[in-house]
Amino acid sequence: NAGVTQTPKFRVLKTGQSMTLLCAQDMNHEYMYWYRQDPGMGLRLIHYSVGEGTTAKGEVPDGYNVSRLKKQNFLLGLESAAPSQTSVYFCASRDYRGTGELFFGEGSRLTVL
Amino acid sequence: GQQLNQSPQSMFIQEGEDVSMNCTSSSIFNTWLWYKQDPGEGPVLLIALYKAGELTSNGRLTAQFGITRKDSFLNISASIPSDVGIYFCAGQPVGGSEKLVFGKGTKLTVNP
Repeated sequence: NAGVTQTPKFRVLKTGQSMTLLCAQDMNHEYMYWYRQDPGMGLRLIHYSVGEGTTAKGEVPDGYNVSRLKKQNFLLGLESAAPSQTSVYFCASRDYRGTGELFFGEGSRLTVL
Repeated sequence: GQQLNQSPQSMFIQEGEDVSMNCTSSSIFNTWLWYKQDPGEGPVLLIALYKAGELTSNGRLTAQFGITRKDSFLNISASIPSDVGIYFCAGQPVGGSEKLVFGKGTKLTVNP
């Protein structure tokens, strides 16, 4: 059972570089989310998607873009990385029905120098 | 936006002690969820609560959905070293079924 898989797990970037984080889920979930986790700040929602081809902003969307071209994949892009984007990024998914339970990936640790 | 106030921020306890943490909000929630994050991992669901007043147990864990729908608590009895981690509460707001609101977490350290 793969569940939610994030790649890469670790990445170091220089300021101004671009990169994409990939999230893949094999549970046929409609909803997918990208969060960032910083010490003392909890989990903050960056962007989310309620279905293939749709995306919406969360609470901290600036500096990030997302795409959901396929139902099982949700990509998070940084066009011009900044040190403030150093964080651990988590992808999550859930079924649109009922319970609200989110299934999380293992996280991607990004450092921007 | 809606916020959840989770307390305490951190706890340092001895193995065998009981633990209690809670989340409060000024808004009403339909669902309360408690997650645990082990070091280096993503959060995993511990308990889900769907009804005001509901009290649910999962082994040594007990959680309650407050009667006002604005709060929830999680208790851990007889703590063990593997209880170490960050515990998050999350709520599904009324009318906002797409997104969960997360507390900032309670970091638990258990000394053997």
